[in-house]
Amino acid sequence: GENVEQHPSTLSVQEGDSAVIKCTYSDSASNYFPWYKQELGKGPQLIIDIRSNVGEKKDQRIAVTLNKTAKHFSLHITETQPEDSAVYFCAATTTSGTYKYIFGTGTRLKVLA
Amino acid sequence: GAGVSQSPRYKVAKRGQDVALRCDPISGHVSLFWYQQALGQGPEFLTYFQNEAQLDKSGLPSDRFFAERPEGSVSTLKIQRTQQEDSAVYLCASSPPGPYGYTFGSGTRLTVV
Repeated sequence: GENVEQHPSTLSVQEGDSAVIKCTYSDSASNYFPWYKQELGKGPQLIIDIRSNVGEKKDQRIAVTLNKTAKHFSLHITETQPEDSAVYFCAATTTSGTYKYIFGTGTRLKVLA
Repeated sequence: GAGVSQSPRYKVAKRGQDVALRCDPISGHVSLFWYQQALGQGPEFLTYFQNEAQLDKSGLPSDRFFAERPEGSVSTLKIQRTQQEDSAVYLCASSPPGPYGYTFGSGTRLTVV
C-alpha cells in the first residue's frame, strides 16, 4: 500500500547549524507534500508545503525540495534555534479522492544551545 | 473559533466502556478528518467528512469505531467497548475544500485501563 519513509528518526545539531530531514514516498500519484512540526502535548502544525509542479520552496529559514522522479522530498532548516526542537513529520497525498495524508514516522530534532 | 478545538483533552476509560470524542473545526471549513496517533508514531488516517457526508471511513480499525458530523460542523468520534489497543491520541483536522494544509487540533489522549 501507500507508504512514506522518513529519516533520520532522531537528529541532534548545534545551534546555528543546518538540519536536513528526508522522506521517500511510494505512490506515484502523490502530488502534495506538507511538513508538520509537533511540540510535546500539541497537535501537528503546518510549517511548509510543496506541490508536485514545483521543485523547491523556501520560507525564511525553512526550505523544502522535491524530486518527483526519485520520489524524494526533503526539509532543510538553516540557522537552527533551540525553539526548532520538536518532532517533524512529512506527509504525502493526492489532490483527488479523499485527501488523506500518509505520514512518515517522524524525526525528533534536538537543537543544542 | 480561531483554531480546531477538541474535547476532552484527556480521557481515561476502563476496558469495555464507550467513549465519545468531540471536534469543533474552524468555522466554514468544509473538510474534517480524524487521525489516530500512537506513541512515537505518525498520525494514521481514520475517516474524512465533506460537510455532513462521510466520504471515506477506510481507516477505522473496527466496527467499534463510529464517526458522525450531522450538521456539517461539529464532529464526534465514538469508540464502543474500548480495548487497550485503542489507547492513543486522536487528532481532528479541518480544511477548506481540498487537501491543502490541514489545521490540526491539540488532540484527545485516550488511555484505556
